[in-house]
Amino acid sequence: GNSVTQMEGPVTLSEEAFLTINCTYTATGYPSLFWYVQYPGEGLQLLLKATKADDKGSNKGFEATYRKETTSFHLEKGSVQVSDSAVYFCALRYNFNKFYFGSGTKLNVKP
Amino acid sequence: DGGITQSPKYLFRKEGQNVTLSCEQNLNHDAMYWYRQDPGQGLRLIYYSQIVNDFQKGDIAEGYSVSREKKESFPLTVTSAQKNPTAFYLCASSQSEGTGGYTFGSGTRLTVV
Repeated sequence: GNSVTQMEGPVTLSEEAFLTINCTYTATGYPSLFWYVQYPGEGLQLLLKATKADDKGSNKGFEATYRKETTSFHLEKGSVQVSDSAVYFCALRYNFNKFYFGSGTKLNVKP
Repeated sequence: DGGITQSPKYLFRKEGQNVTLSCEQNLNHDAMYWYRQDPGQGLRLIYYSQIVNDFQKGDIAEGYSVSREKKESFPLTVTSAQKNPTAFYLCASSQSEGTGGYTFGSGTRLTVV
């Protein structure tokens, strides 16, 4: 079946450090891939997406590349800020309205 | 601006009571969803609806009920049969076709007192 696996947290980094949050997926066909961010007490916000192999999604300094050969969609940012502290969810959309979410990775950025 | 509105933001329920959480969207999305999130946990799907007057159970539907009488609205009722209702509830919507993602509401935190 379809599924999303992302690295367990929490991930703790110092400000200006490089961030990678790993995400791998299992799916037949060609799903669309997403990263969502959730700040404390709020809903999820779409951070970026990619709809086909080798696409790179980017937003607010975050990037992720759709790698079909490794079934991965890792989230990266070159220099994190304290304001990036949040929970990050990887997700895939398959066959119209079937969405699958990872379990979330909490990021703590220290000043 | 288009979006999803969930209300109330905080809700307190006494044991044995039913409560209804509101979810309204003005995005003209066909599909709507309810998720439950427990502290430090991911999202679990309660119910979803792809069209008016039709909905399907998700992974944890027991103790919950929904209706979809209008395209814009997808209320969730937490019944007294739900044994552990304290959680954060998220509503979302999406287009039925295409490659777009969900749009989420800001959530309702339900606490049983």
